[in-house]
Amino acid sequence: LAKTTQPISMDSYEGQEVNITCSHNNIATNDYITWYQQFPSQGPRFIIQGYKTKVTNEVASLFIPADRKSSTLSLPRVSLSDTAVYYCLVVLLDTNAGKSTFGDGTTLTVKP
Amino acid sequence: KAGVTQTPRYLIKTRGQQVTLSCSPISGHRSVSWYQQTPGQGLQFLFEYFSETQRNKGNFPGRFSGRQFSNSRSEMNVSTLELGDSALYLCASSRGGPGTGELFFGEGSRLTVL
Repeated sequence: LAKTTQPISMDSYEGQEVNITCSHNNIATNDYITWYQQFPSQGPRFIIQGYKTKVTNEVASLFIPADRKSSTLSLPRVSLSDTAVYYCLVVLLDTNAGKSTFGDGTTLTVKP
Repeated sequence: KAGVTQTPRYLIKTRGQQVTLSCSPISGHRSVSWYQQTPGQGLQFLFEYFSETQRNKGNFPGRFSGRQFSNSRSEMNVSTLELGDSALYLCASSRGGPGTGELFFGEGSRLTVL
């Protein structure tokens, strides 16, 4: 499974758009990019998943360039409750969904 | 639809003891995976079970073991506990077949070893 690299921490203010970039230079053809959110003392929660170009759901957008060596999670108009750790993962959508390799994650702090 | 349920939520053990943690996956999910989370090592994969068979295993010593039952419920066991085993143990379930990339996590079992 490809290793991912993301910033250790980011600060933002309420109402701003936050973009967290993740690099995954060794991503394979059949790998998907997945993002999770984790609050203290809770399990991670799935945010969004994509293969290429752009994916949008009710909470976030995921931008993946053509070479797929990086991806950007975009959180529109963050609030204090978005303060959490965000993990970028590369997942082989075949039989290895359970063996996801979590990196160090990005600790996002949203300030009032 | 009920989420992933882990029991117990908190427990305290002493060195040398053994512990069993339980996980009930979301109904219909056949894959259960276990993770250990510590401040120093982050989230580390322990093992994954699918249809009662261990399908993947992480780099943990043999003191860590698990199993899955026919109803997909899973247990993990840690024997001869060490101080370093203090952690949040997370269970995640998924449908397990091709195309299932989303893991659904429980709230975890926090183990403290004294």
